[in-house]
Amino acid sequence: GAGVSQTPSNKVTEKGKYVELRCDPISGHTALYWYRQSLGQGPEFLIYFQGTGAADDSGLPNDRFFAVRPEGSVSTLKIQRTERGDSAVYLCASSLGQPGDTQYFGPGTRLTVL
Amino acid sequence: SQQGEEDPQALSIQEGENATMNCSYKTSINNLQWYRQNSGRGLVHLILIRSNEREKHSGRLRVTLDTSKKSSSLLITASRAADTASYFCARTNFGNEKLTFGTGTRLTIIP
Repeated sequence: GAGVSQTPSNKVTEKGKYVELRCDPISGHTALYWYRQSLGQGPEFLIYFQGTGAADDSGLPNDRFFAVRPEGSVSTLKIQRTERGDSAVYLCASSLGQPGDTQYFGPGTRLTVL
Repeated sequence: SQQGEEDPQALSIQEGENATMNCSYKTSINNLQWYRQNSGRGLVHLILIRSNEREKHSGRLRVTLDTSKKSSSLLITASRAADTASYFCARTNFGNEKLTFGTGTRLTIIP
């Protein structure tokens, strides 16, 4: 079946603009995760959904970052007033939602803030 | 912040040789997973090892886990050019499903 998909694959924006990044999880996966990866680093956790609710949002760096998953499937990561430091690859993953289940990653969205 | 470390940070070997990468962490874990990443984009899941397991195999991959030393290793046997990639370990703690990644090992296989 289809894997995790993310759109757009690349996004270039100007400092101060608003961006939305979309994630389509694997069908039937109840858990969805967002991570951010800066160049030369491992991914860092942002937020995780179990169904429609955010089970853990402790990784969101500040209140400019927000994520939703209104129907328990597709999720959107929203970044307001973007800053150059937000430039990174934003990765989405999904799992079946049981403790310890494997997380399957999408190809990521490369965000560049000029 | 990342709470795992891989070593070495970079490794270059001849095709056909074995590659070993190590991962250390600081707190107790529920499970530990190894991922491969090509060209800084999507991560491919390789192996998951649970805290009560000591060794797992998958094809040319062998993962060990030593919870007393808080370390894991990934062995790739008979390496191929296509194994060139970055390799990350990532752990979960009990009661929390977020993955905490290490810093990664950049593996280069020389044809």
